[in-house]
Amino acid sequence: DGGITQSPKYLFRKEGQNVTLSCEQNLNHDAMYWYRQDPGQGLRLIYYSQIVNDFQKGDIAEGYSVSREKKESFPLTVTSAQKNPTAFYLCASSTKRGGLIHEQFFGPGTRLTVL
Amino acid sequence: AQSVTQLDSQVPVFEEAPVELRCNYSSSVSVYLFWYVQYPNQGLQLLLKYLSGSTLVKGINGFEAEFNKSQTSFHLRKPSVHISDTAEYFCAVSSLLTGGGNKLTFGTGTQLKVEL
Repeated sequence: DGGITQSPKYLFRKEGQNVTLSCEQNLNHDAMYWYRQDPGQGLRLIYYSQIVNDFQKGDIAEGYSVSREKKESFPLTVTSAQKNPTAFYLCASSTKRGGLIHEQFFGPGTRLTVL
Repeated sequence: AQSVTQLDSQVPVFEEAPVELRCNYSSSVSVYLFWYVQYPNQGLQLLLKYLSGSTLVKGINGFEAEFNKSQTSFHLRKPSVHISDTAEYFCAVSSLLTGGGNKLTFGTGTQLKVEL
């Protein structure tokens, strides 16, 4: 079955540590996205990538970094510079076919807690 | 800039009753609208989308929404809810990105709680 996987499901981090969240898709989608979800605030875009080896900042990129070395993979690193990293992180992907608007497919999410 | 307002943070409703979840948007360009549902500790699942054409859009699980340009609204409705509809619902407006793909701007969500 095609879809998006995120790992781990739960992640605990000590203050001052960097941590990397995994996102893999087998939908053959060119575009991938990372969102952060906080209670009562909806989802906010952190980074997106439209093609391998290229990515762009979203609305709240400070304290985060990404890479896109393979089409299937778009890992997110939460660095120690992120002041309030405790949140639910969601990865998504979409096709870019025809330059039109397409549905974004979401992974199951990773819940990060900073201790 | 685009934005979405979901006026109700929580909506309680009895099983088999009708429900409407409200969504208003602001956009200076062509409007593309989505409703997603999220069950606890899970990702988002698409309910329905409006890209063009008929303003009444039907989605999965018996949900439908109507695009109203004059009122800048895209309210979600279901004529008879089930206990399994208890979840959080997000309205989003989309815009094309230079280079392909699209950016979703989400509302803050509405928690639908269906009671027996």
